[in-house]
Amino acid sequence: QKEVEQNSGPLSVPEGAIASLNCTYSDRVSQSFFWYRQYSGKSPELIMSIYSNGDKEDGRFTAQLNKASQYVSLLIRDSQPSDSATYLCAVNSPNSNSGYALNFGKGTSLLVTP
Amino acid sequence: GAGVSQTPSNKVTEKGKYVELRCDPISGHTALYWYRQSLGQGPEFLIYFQGTGAADDSGLPNDRFFAVRPEGSVSTLKIQRTERGDSAVYLCASSLLAGVPTDTQYFGPGTRLTVL
Repeated sequence: QKEVEQNSGPLSVPEGAIASLNCTYSDRVSQSFFWYRQYSGKSPELIMSIYSNGDKEDGRFTAQLNKASQYVSLLIRDSQPSDSATYLCAVNSPNSNSGYALNFGKGTSLLVTP
Repeated sequence: GAGVSQTPSNKVTEKGKYVELRCDPISGHTALYWYRQSLGQGPEFLIYFQGTGAADDSGLPNDRFFAVRPEGSVSTLKIQRTERGDSAVYLCASSLLAGVPTDTQYFGPGTRLTVL
C-alpha cells in the first residue's frame, strides 16, 4: 500500500520564524509531489509542486525533494498568522490505468502565533 | 475564470436514503477526480475520469458508490443506501490534461454529507 506520512502536529512557530513541514512517502516510483494548504472548513489549495530532486522556491515558500530518501519538505519563511492552516503533502504515482490520483498524507496543522 | 463548483454545499440525509452529489469542473479540463475527506484525515481517492469514462474506480469503497460523467464535463457521484460511515466531505478536483503526472489538480469547495 502506498503511504504518505506526515507529523500531525500541531506545529507552533512565532510570527516571523521559519516553519518546516516534513513528509515521507513509500512508493519509490512516485513522480510528482505537491503541497496543499487547507484552512478549516475549506478545500485544499495548491501551494507548491516539485518534480526533481533539490529545492524549488516561490516567494516565502521553498519545497525540497530527496527521492533517494523518499522525503519532501516545505519551508515557510517569515511565517505569518495567516499561514495558520493544515498543510497536506500529496504524492502522485502512476498506475496501470494511466491515472494520476493524488495520495495524501493526513496533514500537519501549523499555528503561527503573533 | 470560474473554478470547480460543487452542489449542494451541504447535504443531510437519513440512513438508507439515496444521494447525488454534483461536480462542475473547470471548463476545458479533461480529467476529473472524486475524493472523500473524513475529519482529521487527508483526502482519499475515490474515482478518476478521463473524458467520459471512469479510468480508475479502485478507490470506491463498495458497490453502493457509483459515479458518472456522461458528456465529459459535469460529474455526479451517487451513493445508494447511505450509511452513517459515509458522512464526510466529498471533494471534486479537475485537471487540464489526463495522464500527465505533473498536471495540477484544482479542488472544488466540497459537499459536506451528513448521514443521520
